[in-house]
Amino acid sequence: KAGVTQTPRYLIKTRGQQVTLSCSPISGHRSVSWYQQTPGQGLQFLFEYFSETQRNKGNFPGRFSGRQFSNSRSEMNVSTLELGDSALYLCASSFLSAGAAYEQYFGPGTRLTVT
Amino acid sequence: DQQVKQNSPSLSVQEGRISILNCDYTNSMFDYFLWYKKYPAEGPTFLISISSIKDKNEDGRFTVFLNKSAKHLSLHIVPSQPGDSAVYFCAASAGYGGSQGNLIFGKGTKLSVKP
Repeated sequence: KAGVTQTPRYLIKTRGQQVTLSCSPISGHRSVSWYQQTPGQGLQFLFEYFSETQRNKGNFPGRFSGRQFSNSRSEMNVSTLELGDSALYLCASSFLSAGAAYEQYFGPGTRLTVT
Repeated sequence: DQQVKQNSPSLSVQEGRISILNCDYTNSMFDYFLWYKKYPAEGPTFLISISSIKDKNEDGRFTVFLNKSAKHLSLHIVPSQPGDSAVYFCAASAGYGGSQGNLIFGKGTKLSVKP
C-alpha cells in the first residue's frame, strides 16, 4: 500500500504571498490531519478533516485554512505569508473508525521557506 | 502549557543495551498514547501505541509502559541498535476511536546509539 504523499516537497515563497500544499492519504484512510513542525514549538496540530468536513482545529490564525475532497485528498493554504511560517508541514492520515486503534501515518512533509 | 512533556532532550546508549525514553502528560482525558520515530527530513514513523485500558504493549524490540496514576509512559528498546538513532516523539490523543482527530506531541528526545 502506498504511503502518504505530499507535494511539493520543498517550497520557497516571499513574505505576503500565499501557498497551497497538497496531501494524498493512504488508500482507504478518510481522516487527514495537518501539523506544523518548527524547531522552537515542535509538532503542532493545525486541523483535521474527515469526510470533507473540518472536525478539529488547532490554535493557528485564520490565514491557515484547508479543505478535503471527496477522494480524501486534502490541501492546506496559507495566505499572507510571514517569516514565522517557515516550517515543515506534515500531513497524516488515519483509517479512523469507532473502536479502531487511532494511529496516524505521516507523509514526508513539505519544507516551506518564507523569505 | 505543555500537556505532553519529554524532559530529556537527548539520550546516548551503547549498542546492545536498553534505551528508555520517558514521557509525562498532564491531561487526564488522554486515553491513547503513541510513539513515533523521526529521521531528519522525513515525516514521523509510527512505532507503537497503547490505550489507557492497558499498562503494557509489546512489539518486537519495542515495549511501551503506561502508568496512569503517575501520568507517565515510557518506551523501552531492547536491544538498542545504531539504526535506532533518531528523534523519538511521544504523542497523546483524547477520544479513543477517533472522536478527537488531533495528536498532542512532546518536543522529542534525540536517541544516539553508539556502536
